[in-house]
Amino acid sequence: AQSVAQPEDQVNVAEGNPLTVKCTYSVSGNPYLFWYVQYPNRGLQFLLKYITGDNLVKGSYGFEAEFNKSQTSFHLKKPSALVSDSALYFCAVRDGGTGGFKTIFGAGTRLFVKA
Amino acid sequence: EAGVAQSPRYKIIEKRQSVAFWCNPISGHATLYWYQQILGQGPKLLIQFQNNGVVDDSQLPKDRFSAERLKGVDSTLKIQPAKLEDSAVYLCASTQDSPNTEAFFGQGTRLTVV
Repeated sequence: AQSVAQPEDQVNVAEGNPLTVKCTYSVSGNPYLFWYVQYPNRGLQFLLKYITGDNLVKGSYGFEAEFNKSQTSFHLKKPSALVSDSALYFCAVRDGGTGGFKTIFGAGTRLFVKA
Repeated sequence: EAGVAQSPRYKIIEKRQSVAFWCNPISGHATLYWYQQILGQGPKLLIQFQNNGVVDDSQLPKDRFSAERLKGVDSTLKIQPAKLEDSAVYLCASTQDSPNTEAFFGQGTRLTVV
C-alpha cells in the first residue's frame, strides 16, 4: 500500500531565508510525487511534480523539490522565502505501478514565514 | 479553461439529516475524486471514479455515504444520516486519464454538522 509522511506539523522561517518542507513516501511501484499548496478557504493548488528524469524539479512561485530514491524522500525547497508563501503544504504520492491513479496525501505542513 | 466547480460552498445541518454535494470536473477529465479534509488533517480519499465507474471506494463509509457519476461528467456525494464527525471540507478533484498528471481541485464544500 502506498503512503506518504510529512514529519513536521509546522515550519517557521524568516523572510529571505531558504526553506525546506520534508516528505517521505512508500510505494510498491514507481512513484509519481506531487506538492500542493492550500491557502485559507481555498482548494489545493498544484505546485510541482516528479514523474521521471532529473531529480530536481522546478515548479510554481520559485519552489523546487528534490527526489531522492534511496531515501524515499521528496522535500520541497525554496532558496528565499516570502511572507506570501505562508500556507499549508501537502505532499502526495501516486503508485505508477498499480494503475488506477489513486493519489494519497500527507497530513500537511504549515509554513510560517516571518517578516 | 474553467476549473472544478463545487456547490454549495457552505452547509450547516443537524445530525441525522441528509446532505448532498455536487461537483462538475474540468471538461474532458476522466478521473474524478472526492476527498474529505477534517480540520488540521490532509485530504482523505473517499472515492475515485474513472468515467462513470468506481475505481476505489475502500475508504467510503458506505453505511451513510454514497456517490454517483452517472454520465461520466458531474458527480454527487451524499451523506445520510450525517454524524457530528462528518464535519469537514469535502473536496472534489479531477485529472486527465493519465497517471502522471496533476489533480485540479475545486474550492470545496465546508460541512458543519450540529
